[in-house]
Amino acid sequence: AQKVTQAQTEISVVEKEDVTLDCVYETRDTTYYLFWYKQPPSGELVFLIRRNSFDEQNEISGRYSWNFQKSTSSFNFTITASQVVDSAVYFCALSALIGGGADGLTFGKGTHLIIQP
Amino acid sequence: DTAVSQTPKYLVTQMGNDKSIKCEQNLGHDTMYWYKQDSKKFLKIMFSYNNKELIINETVPNRFSPKSPDKAHLNLHINSLELGDSAVYFCASSEGTLMFYGYTFGSGTRLTVV
Repeated sequence: AQKVTQAQTEISVVEKEDVTLDCVYETRDTTYYLFWYKQPPSGELVFLIRRNSFDEQNEISGRYSWNFQKSTSSFNFTITASQVVDSAVYFCALSALIGGGADGLTFGKGTHLIIQP
Repeated sequence: DTAVSQTPKYLVTQMGNDKSIKCEQNLGHDTMYWYKQDSKKFLKIMFSYNNKELIINETVPNRFSPKSPDKAHLNLHINSLELGDSAVYFCASSEGTLMFYGYTFGSGTRLTVV
């Protein structure tokens, strides 16, 4: 069985601070994908990143960066110089690669990020 | 031009009614899904269809029945609606088994049962 844990239910920081959202996962599959999604107050799910289990390279995209560590089964997400528009619920999710991901996504419970002006 | 479209966006109905939510994708994907997001924002998969065949059927009441008339459509029919069915329902699609680029989600249908 797969499991994704986002231990931080809610984080509140002041604008321009850096913030890291934690994600720990469990799976018996050796090949899998990890994802981060953003859900702003408008409700849609916005795709942020996909990483497969063979690629442990960290990734940076503008103010966003992701740290994937298989040794600790973690896939953490950092926002640098946070902005009010970053306020949203962020979900970490896991999908088995076998079957082309047809098993769907297992989501964490989400972290509600509040950026105060 | 919307990749995955769901209708309606909002649905308010009384307990005991039967309702349907429609989903269509124009991406040519082989697999479609329904997810439920409850009041605590928890997202959980309900069904997965691959080429019109049911792949996943999670622990969901029998009142929920997915129907896939073709590869591009996956509708969700709910009988005898209950208060606890109030949630946001997301449709999604993904490429087939040979190539996998991730999931595309619809914008969600907010169902309110009164």
